[in-house]
Amino acid sequence: GDQVEQSPSALSLHEGTGSALRCNFTTTMRAVQWFQQNSRGSLINLFYLASGTKENGRLKSTFNSKESYSTLHIRDAQLEDSGTYFCAAESVATGGNNKLTFGQGTVLSVIP
Amino acid sequence: ETAVFQTPNYHVTQVGNEVSFNCKQTLGHDTMYWYKQDSKKLLKIMFSYNNKQLIVNETVPRRFSPQSSDKAHLNLRIKSVEPEDSAVYLCASSSWTGGEDTQYFGPGTRLLVL
Repeated sequence: GDQVEQSPSALSLHEGTGSALRCNFTTTMRAVQWFQQNSRGSLINLFYLASGTKENGRLKSTFNSKESYSTLHIRDAQLEDSGTYFCAAESVATGGNNKLTFGQGTVLSVIP
Repeated sequence: ETAVFQTPNYHVTQVGNEVSFNCKQTLGHDTMYWYKQDSKKLLKIMFSYNNKQLIVNETVPRRFSPQSSDKAHLNLRIKSVEPEDSAVYLCASSSWTGGEDTQYFGPGTRLLVL
């Protein structure tokens, strides 16, 4: 079945620094979404990408369907960025079925 | 306020009982979903409905059944809960708009089976 491999599984950043999260896909994906899950468990939408790059504040995401990967860059990390980040993708093969296949998540801890 | 709402927030029950979780979206979307998040935080699709019709039914035990009265509501019933059903159940909705099909999630219902 569709597989989404997300890395790293955990990441610690000092305030003000940055890093990147990555998801690799084993099949062709039509689109990818990135979410932040906060301490209360709510999934907050960050990006939806069918291709290319989007930027929002300190976050930037890229989706390359041909090379089967997506990245999420965080710069100038703040304490409120702590949480678990998930990528989730829609497979081309599913047609009208829009189910998301989730990565395993990245637990981000921002340290003062 | 437009969003995805779930009730209850939290439910504790005994093995063998029946439970029912509610989900309502006020976003005007025509597709709704149920996902399960286990203790390792892994998220998996269970069901999706489009305009009250089931379009996805992953390999889910028969004791789970989705129920949709209209496109704004998608409830989840578990007939006879088992310990492995302890998880967070997340409802989501989406609709094709401007070439995008972003899914929006509710806050989740946490189920603990004793």
